[in-house]
Amino acid sequence: DVKVTQSSRYLVKRTGEKVFLECVQDMDHENMFWYRQDPGLGLRLIYFSYDVKMKEKGDIPEGYSVSREKKERFSLILESASTNQTSMYLCASRLTGGISGELFFGEGSRLTVL
Amino acid sequence: ELKVEQNPLFLSMQEGKNYTIYCNYSTTSDRLYWYRQDPGKSLESLFVLLSNGAVKQEGRLMASLDTKARLSTLHITAAVHDLSATYFCAGVAGGTSYGKLTFGQGTILTVHP
Repeated sequence: DVKVTQSSRYLVKRTGEKVFLECVQDMDHENMFWYRQDPGLGLRLIYFSYDVKMKEKGDIPEGYSVSREKKERFSLILESASTNQTSMYLCASRLTGGISGELFFGEGSRLTVL
Repeated sequence: ELKVEQNPLFLSMQEGKNYTIYCNYSTTSDRLYWYRQDPGKSLESLFVLLSNGAVKQEGRLMASLDTKARLSTLHITAAVHDLSATYFCAGVAGGTSYGKLTFGQGTILTVHP
């Protein structure tokens, strides 16, 4: 089974703090994604990475950056957290070239910014 | 830009009843995904629909895809409490297996006695 692990399930940070959200997958998937989930808005794509050291902006990249130095790890960085970044953050991975193209999700990281 | 809209957003059902969740999308997407999310949990893949006319069934859930109408449906038959969850559909712009998934808002389903 694919396992996508997000290091922190719950975080509380203060406005202006730098925040790192870590995601690790164990199935050698090339593609990795960061989404944020807010009630009534579904999941919105922040950034994704097709492979190591590659990254592309999603639909809502403002205020976020990412790092993909190793294939299994994709980090989301909030340089200076703000209250409107309080949300659930979901990491996902996918095998390139698979027929289905489905994403496998981690458990999520719920971030509260005070 | 692909937009995906689900309706209804909230669905309260009685056990034993049938209902359908609709997923409309705005541009070509020859593949469609359905996910389930239990409270406090992550998303679990339910169905992957890869072509026009595709129909898949698992237990009391059946999903279908009509690419001409740009519509997918998730039909619930004889609902039971265990089906209570949030259901998301997602499409891929261009319909490729390597494109970005765009999600709908989610439908919160509550099944009560």
